[in-house]
Amino acid sequence: AQSVAQPEDQVNVAEGNPLTVKCTYSVSGNPYLFWYVQYPNRGLQFLLKYITGDNLVKGSYGFEAEFNKSQTSFHLKKPSALVSDSALYFCAVRDNPTGGFKTIFGAGTRLFVKA
Amino acid sequence: DTEVTQTPKHLVMGMTNKKSLKCEQHMGHRAMYWYKQKAKKPPELMFVYSYEKLSINESVPSRFSPECPNSSLLNLHLHALQPEDSALYLCASSQTTGGAGQPQHFGDGTRLSIL
Repeated sequence: AQSVAQPEDQVNVAEGNPLTVKCTYSVSGNPYLFWYVQYPNRGLQFLLKYITGDNLVKGSYGFEAEFNKSQTSFHLKKPSALVSDSALYFCAVRDNPTGGFKTIFGAGTRLFVKA
Repeated sequence: DTEVTQTPKHLVMGMTNKKSLKCEQHMGHRAMYWYKQKAKKPPELMFVYSYEKLSINESVPSRFSPECPNSSLLNLHLHALQPEDSALYLCASSQTTGGAGQPQHFGDGTRLSIL
């Protein structure tokens, strides 16, 4: 079965510093990986995805993620954090790589960016 | 603004009431989903509709009854709910359920409180 793990409940970073939110995955077959962000009182918003190709994936709001097959990781990064990036971040994997119905979410990581 | 619209935004109901949650999208998506989300937790899948047919029911209690009247609308009928059903209910859509690389588009949810 597919799964993702987010080892950090919370990440704190100062505004202007680079940020990393960690995610590791366990899949059978090719991974289909996603990052979503949830701001307070809002639904989840899609940030970026890895399907195939370049290991560095660029997404919305200046975020990018690095796919590392040997370490089974898909960490979310941003070169310079903004206070407005403070939110709940979910890593996710698509269950059934042949085209399934389910998205399996990690437990979430709360990002705090301090001014 | 989200492209998936959910109404109402907030709902307070007693355990004997009957109410409905509504979700609408006009992106031409043929897959629609209901999720339940508790505070600071990832969304939990409840139901999946594919081409207006129920594809997945994640063993959800019968007090929750989904309905998909057409390709743009998704309802969740509620009856005799329990206090533990209090949560944020999220609707999402994707182009289809096949195609593992398709992200989901989420509404902002209905915050449900059961008295």
